[in-house]
Amino acid sequence: DTAVSQTPKYLVTQMGNDKSIKCEQNLGHDTMYWYKQDSKKFLKIMFSYNNKELIINETVPNRFSPKSPDKAHLNLHINSLELGDSAVYFCASSPYLRGSYEQYFGPGTRLTVT
Amino acid sequence: QQQVKQSPQSLIVQKGGISIINCAYENTAFDYFPWYQQFPGKGPALLIAIRPDVSEKKEGRFTISFNKSAKQFSLHIMDSQPGDSATYFCAASIEFGSSNTGKLIFGQGTTLQVKP
Repeated sequence: DTAVSQTPKYLVTQMGNDKSIKCEQNLGHDTMYWYKQDSKKFLKIMFSYNNKELIINETVPNRFSPKSPDKAHLNLHINSLELGDSAVYFCASSPYLRGSYEQYFGPGTRLTVT
Repeated sequence: QQQVKQSPQSLIVQKGGISIINCAYENTAFDYFPWYQQFPGKGPALLIAIRPDVSEKKEGRFTISFNKSAKQFSLHIMDSQPGDSATYFCAASIEFGSSNTGKLIFGQGTTLQVKP
């Protein structure tokens, strides 16, 4: 019944490693997002996809690469992890791209880089 | 121009009191202003939203007041309850036009604690 799910919930890894976070939504939404929430709780959009097409690509290091195999899934791969990548990453979805619709957030993935 | 400034950073209110959180923006193209509520360990969830064609929107104990000329909007929580203790984020986006990418610009967040 979970609307937007993310795996894993917690991720602890060492600097230099590569890791992936997976996101799935069962709401039938067209648009999906990745957000980063830093230690001060500031939420910033990283990417958005609409029907598998990249729409928003904020100023994010190219070590971060999103992939959308279909419109229900949006994964985030991070290469060469750095200490500053430690944060909570949220996936979200909304029904459509145009117009303003509620964004449904997943439970988050807490990434800790040591 | 893309920023949304939120204050205060933290707020402590007694049960039954009124909690007020303020936000200000610069970009006059913003035309959709939602508030999200986030409990510890959870993702944000939409609480209430307003468009600039109205000056106030009320849903239960939650009210948004909007001042278009001042480019400010605020969230009022009446009869605040301990269960309202959470982090609140204002946000802004462009709903119509070619600039609409669904991008939400969030404020810095306000951590609200309601004391019993």
